[in-house]
Amino acid sequence: KAGVTQTPRYLIKTRGQQVTLSCSPISGHRSVSWYQQTPGQGLQFLFEYFSETQRNKGNFPGRFSGRQFSNSRSEMNVSTLELGDSALYLCASSSIPGKYNEKLFFGSGTQLSVL
Amino acid sequence: AQKITQTQPGMFVQEKEAVTLDCTYDTSDPSYGLFWYKQPSSGEMIFLIYQGSYDQQNATEGRYSLNFQKARKSANLVISASQLGDSAMYFCAMREGDSSYKLIFGSGTRLLVRP
Repeated sequence: KAGVTQTPRYLIKTRGQQVTLSCSPISGHRSVSWYQQTPGQGLQFLFEYFSETQRNKGNFPGRFSGRQFSNSRSEMNVSTLELGDSALYLCASSSIPGKYNEKLFFGSGTQLSVL
Repeated sequence: AQKITQTQPGMFVQEKEAVTLDCTYDTSDPSYGLFWYKQPSSGEMIFLIYQGSYDQQNATEGRYSLNFQKARKSANLVISASQLGDSAMYFCAMREGDSSYKLIFGSGTRLLVRP
């Protein structure tokens, strides 16, 4: 069974540009969540999608957005990039959302560098 | 207050020896799940082991075991017979309650296995 697939693996952008990251969850998983990892802030929750609906969002500005498609694949978009957006963006999938004992499985992440 | 505390920023262990990585947590919810993830330099977050708040026995997964002390709110990861490939960052994480939608991560422990 294939794991969580994130593309691209690396991205280099300049300030002011926008970027789109993609995530394909484990087959059969319908919940996708996104996390940002930086050396200073650690791992922080961005948002969660289930059945094409955003269920929850973390404390990030509106420049960060996402969506989920009918096949459960998800994309996240960051507009007007800032230097501080440089981070590893991790996508996680699970079969159902909202249960404390539901395991999340992560992809390898997309390393975004903003110059 | 931090919900997940990992007090060991870095640790060394000799190959083939056992090592314990500490994790304490804080929650008032009776239903919660505790997770350990391994993150090698490649960036992928690899699920290692899970312990539920109602589980009577400590979780084990191969060389990984979780020393769960509920009253002390600790969930330490024990790696037996360390291997060079165990060198990585290790994160303790928690999900709370039946409406949980995100993992709360600790700051991580960097483990280096010496040959």
